[in-house]
Amino acid sequence: AQSVTQLGSHVSVSEGALVLLRCNYSSSVPPYLFWYVQYPNQGLQLLLKYTSAATLVKGINGFEAEFKKSETSFHLTKPSAHMSDAAEYFCAVIGASGGGADGLTFGKGTHLIIQP
Amino acid sequence: DGGITQSPKYLFRKEGQNVTLSCEQNLNHDAMYWYRQDPGQGLRLIYYSQIVNDFQKGDIAEGYSVSREKKESFPLTVTSAQKNPTAFYLCASSWDRVNTEAFFGQGTRLTVV
Repeated sequence: AQSVTQLGSHVSVSEGALVLLRCNYSSSVPPYLFWYVQYPNQGLQLLLKYTSAATLVKGINGFEAEFKKSETSFHLTKPSAHMSDAAEYFCAVIGASGGGADGLTFGKGTHLIIQP
Repeated sequence: DGGITQSPKYLFRKEGQNVTLSCEQNLNHDAMYWYRQDPGQGLRLIYYSQIVNDFQKGDIAEGYSVSREKKESFPLTVTSAQKNPTAFYLCASSWDRVNTEAFFGQGTRLTVV
């Protein structure tokens, strides 16, 4: 079984400040991990993914995430927030060994608010 | 351009009616999914299909039905048995259910009136 916990349903940062969105996972097998972004009334767009290559993953729009096995974490960061980053962010996990019916498991999401 | 198309974007349903949400993909993906999204609850899996003519229940399948007669199409019917159908519905597809990310449509917002 696998699960994802996103700490903080809402995160507020000032424009230009560091963005940090937290994600912890549990998985019985080495995981693949993803971050998605959702703008209001739209579908989800893939920001970045970890698939057991480099532990620091760079994505679109200046976001990056670091896989830390010892902490079972995959936190999303961006050095300088922009107003256009305001959106809902979802962390997701899938068991890399395959099989079974788990598929992608999503966290409950974190709403990022950018203050001018 | 390849992608996933959901229609309609907004849908209104009277109580007791069945409605069908459309999802079409031209990505040649084998796996397709339906998720329901409610505020503060993330995405919950309704049904998924790994191959044509086969589908499986997800976590909240009660009151919903699907079909997968063609690789590119995975329509979702919200039946009158679904007691609280007002939600945002997302369709997704992926190469398979194991190792790859999912690509999402733009969603359908269903409201019961």
